[in-house]
Amino acid sequence: NAGVTQTPKFQVLKTGQSMTLQCAQDMNHNSMYWYRQDPGMGLRLIYYSASEGTTDKGEVPNGYNVSRLNKREFSLRLESAAPSQTSVYFCASSAQTGNTEAFFGQGTRLTVV
Amino acid sequence: SQQGEEDPQALSIQEGENATMNCSYKTSINNLQWYRQNSGRGLVHLILIRSNEREKHSGRLRVTLDTSKKSSSLLITASRAADTASYFCACYKAAGNKLTFGGGTRVLVKP
Repeated sequence: NAGVTQTPKFQVLKTGQSMTLQCAQDMNHNSMYWYRQDPGMGLRLIYYSASEGTTDKGEVPNGYNVSRLNKREFSLRLESAAPSQTSVYFCASSAQTGNTEAFFGQGTRLTVV
Repeated sequence: SQQGEEDPQALSIQEGENATMNCSYKTSINNLQWYRQNSGRGLVHLILIRSNEREKHSGRLRVTLDTSKKSSSLLITASRAADTASYFCACYKAAGNKLTFGGGTRVLVKP
């Protein structure tokens, strides 16, 4: 059972470089999310997609863009990486936004130097 | 600012003891969820309690919700070394349609 799959698992970027974090789920979920986790800060919501074709900003959207490519896939793009974006990024999905349990991927550890 | 705040930030207990952690939130919610995160892994859902519920059980887990105090507690009974993890509360509010997490409680269960 794959669940939520994130790629890559680790990435090092130089300041100013761009990259896209990929996320796919095989549970036919409507809602998908991107969070970042920093030490002592818990998880903060970057963007979410309540259903295919819609995306909305979360708590910390600046510096990021997202694409809900189809029902399965939700990507997160950093156009010009900054050291402040060094974090662990988690993708999650749920059948409905907030009203049902969320399933998380294993995370992407991103370092921007 | 985050909706849920856990207390304590860290907890160390002996195997077999009970572990209790609390979550406080600021505005009304539709439900509150608890998640566990083992070191270096993604979060795993433990239990969801809706705003009209006061208590739920799942195995060795007991969750309470007091909407008048805007707080919830997670009790792990008869803890095991495998319960060592970080525990997060997450609050969902339909208005705004977001699931927001607190900073977590790190639990260490010593064998």
